[in-house]
Amino acid sequence: EAQVTQNPRYLITVTGKKLTVTCSQNMNHEYMSWYRQDPGLGLRQIYYSMNVEVTDKGDVPEGYKVSRKEKRNFPLILESPSPNQTSLYFCASSSEYANTGELFFGEGSRLTVL
Amino acid sequence: QQPVQSPQAVILREGEDAVINCSSSKALYSVHWYRQKHGEAPVFLMILLKGGEQKGHDKISASFNEKKQQSSLYLTASQLSYSGTYFCGTARGGANNLFFGTGTRLTVIP
Repeated sequence: EAQVTQNPRYLITVTGKKLTVTCSQNMNHEYMSWYRQDPGLGLRQIYYSMNVEVTDKGDVPEGYKVSRKEKRNFPLILESPSPNQTSLYFCASSSEYANTGELFFGEGSRLTVL
Repeated sequence: QQPVQSPQAVILREGEDAVINCSSSKALYSVHWYRQKHGEAPVFLMILLKGGEQKGHDKISASFNEKKQQSSLYLTASQLSYSGTYFCGTARGGANNLFFGTGTRLTVIP
């Protein structure tokens, strides 16, 4: 089954404790992206990747890192999480250019930073 | 940088129609529409790639006015299953990237 898989789905952590949210897609998509969703602010892009070893900042990259060492994986790294990073995170991928193709979203990862 | 959606929320009775608008201060390359049901991931509805393009399936359609840098999503004869939050996504210029609006929460009641 074609899908985008995120882990963990739910996480409660404490300020400063490094964490990684994994994202994997089995559709051989070149484009992958991370969004955060907050009430009243919609979906805001954190980072995106056009292909292996090619990443770039979205609108809200501060406090996050990403890497794209393999085509299927695009982990989101929070080196020192803070409470303002409490949010619902979505990973998405596309087989085409993101501006012309359908985005496939993972099920989301709800992160709480205390 | 995000596109602006209006209204922020709307409540409809089954069978009523609704229009959701999406506008940008920057020139648009394409407009995308997604629907997110409560507790789920956003799901693709449609893409409009050209100014003046209109698309639709079932009773949901959309238009794209490139000159005015805006798009509208039309939901006719709404059904309970249409409830959810609708997002427009816009790509600016030739950028290979997509930015989403703040969303419109649509609630359809019996």
